[in-house]
Amino acid sequence: GDSVTQMEGPVTLSEEACLTINCTYTATGYPSLFWYVQYPGEGLQLLLKATKADDKGSNKGFEATYRKETTSFHLEKGSVQVSDSAVYFCALSYNTDKLIFGTGTRLQVFP
Amino acid sequence: DAGVIQSPRHEVTEMGQEVTLRCKPISGHNSLFWYRQTMMRGLELLIYFNNNVPIDDSGMPEDRFSAKMPNASFSTLKIQPSEPRDSAVYFCASSLQDEAFFGQGTRLTVV
Repeated sequence: GDSVTQMEGPVTLSEEACLTINCTYTATGYPSLFWYVQYPGEGLQLLLKATKADDKGSNKGFEATYRKETTSFHLEKGSVQVSDSAVYFCALSYNTDKLIFGTGTRLQVFP
Repeated sequence: DAGVIQSPRHEVTEMGQEVTLRCKPISGHNSLFWYRQTMMRGLELLIYFNNNVPIDDSGMPEDRFSAKMPNASFSTLKIQPSEPRDSAVYFCASSLQDEAFFGQGTRLTVV
């Protein structure tokens, strides 16, 4: 079946460091791919998405490229801030079908 | 729109009691999802509805759990009888196309 695998956390960085959170997927078809972010005490909110191969999603300085050849959708940011500290979830879905989430990766950014 | 609204935000109950969690999706959305989040198991999809019809309830842990969606603007998740291992944060989400919007969750503690 379809699944999403994320790198284990926590990821601990100093402010202004570069961030990469790895995400790979297994899919029987051609899903859309997402990154969601969860701040403490809140629900998940969409960070960015890509709907087809080679699409790049971007938002708030974060970006991820849908790589069909490597079945990956790694999240990157060139310079993280303390306010980026949160849990990040990679996910896939087919149209209005259920979202399949990875296990989440906690990011901690220190000043 | 106020977003997905869940109630209550916090619930503490004794083992054996019935618990009902409520969700009001975003108006116009046709898919609704119930997720459970714990430290041990991460984010698990319990059930999802499309146009008020349950599509996939394979994630419902056992018969103690039931979910209904009597109309497009309301859904409930009921646990009867509740057990300490049901303690978790329960999220409701709704979507129209591929982006899901999450509520702030209900933190359930069963003592």
